Amino acid sequence: GAGVSQSPSNKVTEKGKDVELRCDPISGHTALYWYRQRLGQGLEFLIYFQGNSAPDKSGLPSDRFSAERTGESVSTLTIQRTQQEDSAVYLCASSFGGGLGGDYGYTFGSGTRLTVV
Amino acid sequence: DQQVKQNSPSLSVQEGRISILNCDYTNSMFDYFLWYKKYPAEGPTFLISISSIKDKNEDGRFTVFLNKSAKHLSLHIVPSQPGDSAVYFCATTTSGTYKYIFGTGTRLKVLA
Repeated sequence: GAGVSQSPSNKVTEKGKDVELRCDPISGHTALYWYRQRLGQGLEFLIYFQGNSAPDKSGLPSDRFSAERTGESVSTLTIQRTQQEDSAVYLCASSFGGGLGGDYGYTFGSGTRLTVV
Repeated sequence: DQQVKQNSPSLSVQEGRISILNCDYTNSMFDYFLWYKKYPAEGPTFLISISSIKDKNEDGRFTVFLNKSAKHLSLHIVPSQPGDSAVYFCATTTSGTYKYIFGTGTRLKVLA
């Protein structure tokens, strides 16, 4: 597609439930990233996928968080047993290759606003 | 422990005047710096970048300055326009890596 697409755009869930967030990267972008932004904070790195290489999961805050990517296409971020501190905007980005995405940085999606009540 | 700090959460500027947004970082290994702009309900969009081999990069109304000795980065917007009203994030990384470290953002409001 023309841009990075994320769904849903908004999600309200009850504490303890599982949620799944989806990201469709730009076609041809081999690198995919998940970040989140909690209220009043900067963007926080969660996970990075590059082609068929093992993902860098070093930013995932707990084992309740997991992510998958099929080849160089769609990625899903799953949060199990959600907690109130998981409330944030979850942003997906993609780029050509790993590294800096050329001179243009990442291309971000519009994000999924997750609210855990 | 924040490695990238944007100490001004908000800034208001009159249309036509200069907007200056600041960013400080702590790690001298960072050698690539970017500014992103974010409108409400949209993802951040890339604005301008600079490599540590330069101290200035200009693109139209936007200029980024890098002071490596002070570990300080700034974005100048001249002249400011109401459409520039958004949240601006600085980000940094080390060449050859793929993780950006972002600041907390500065909300710019340009008054007509």
